[in-house]
Amino acid sequence: AQSVTQLDSHVSVSEGTPVLLRCNYSSSYSPSLFWYVQHPNKGLQLLLKYTSAATLVKGINGFEAEFKKSETSFHLTKPSAHMSDAAEYFCVVSEDNAGNMLTFGGGTRLMVKP
Amino acid sequence: DGGITQSPKYLFRKEGQNVTLSCEQNLNHDAMYWYRQDPGQGLRLIYYSQIVNDFQKGDIAEGYSVSREKKESFPLTVTSAQKNPTAFYLCASQRFVGGTGNTIYFGEGSWLTVV
Repeated sequence: AQSVTQLDSHVSVSEGTPVLLRCNYSSSYSPSLFWYVQHPNKGLQLLLKYTSAATLVKGINGFEAEFKKSETSFHLTKPSAHMSDAAEYFCVVSEDNAGNMLTFGGGTRLMVKP
Repeated sequence: DGGITQSPKYLFRKEGQNVTLSCEQNLNHDAMYWYRQDPGQGLRLIYYSQIVNDFQKGDIAEGYSVSREKKESFPLTVTSAQKNPTAFYLCASQRFVGGTGNTIYFGEGSWLTVV
């Protein structure tokens, strides 16, 4: 069985300050891990993915995430927030990168203040 | 542009009605998926299809039906048996099921509201 916990349902930052969105997972195998972003009333866009290669993964729009097996974490970070980063972010775990085997976290809503 | 098109964007259903949500992709993908998203929650899998004329139930298939007569099309019917259909529905596709580096692409979603 696999599960994902996003530790914060809402995160608020000021523009230009760092972003940290936390994600912990559990899995009985070596999982693939993903972060997706969803803007209001839109579909999901892939930010980055970890598939057992480098543990520090760089994604689009300046985001990156570090896979820490000992802590079962996959936190998403960005050095400097932009107003356009305001959205819902989902951490996702999958046994095999298969769309029928994805387990979604509950989501973190990121708010960016001017 | 290649991508996934969902229609309609907004749909209202009366009690006891069946409604169908359209999903079309021009990415030449074999695998297609339907998810349901409730406010403040992650996605849950309704149905998926790995190939034409074949589909499988997901975690919450009750009250829904699908067909896959063409590779590019995977319509979802929300039947009157679905007691709480108000939600945001997302269609997705993938070149095939699974595999490293095989990105899943999402449509822009459809809002279904029961009136």
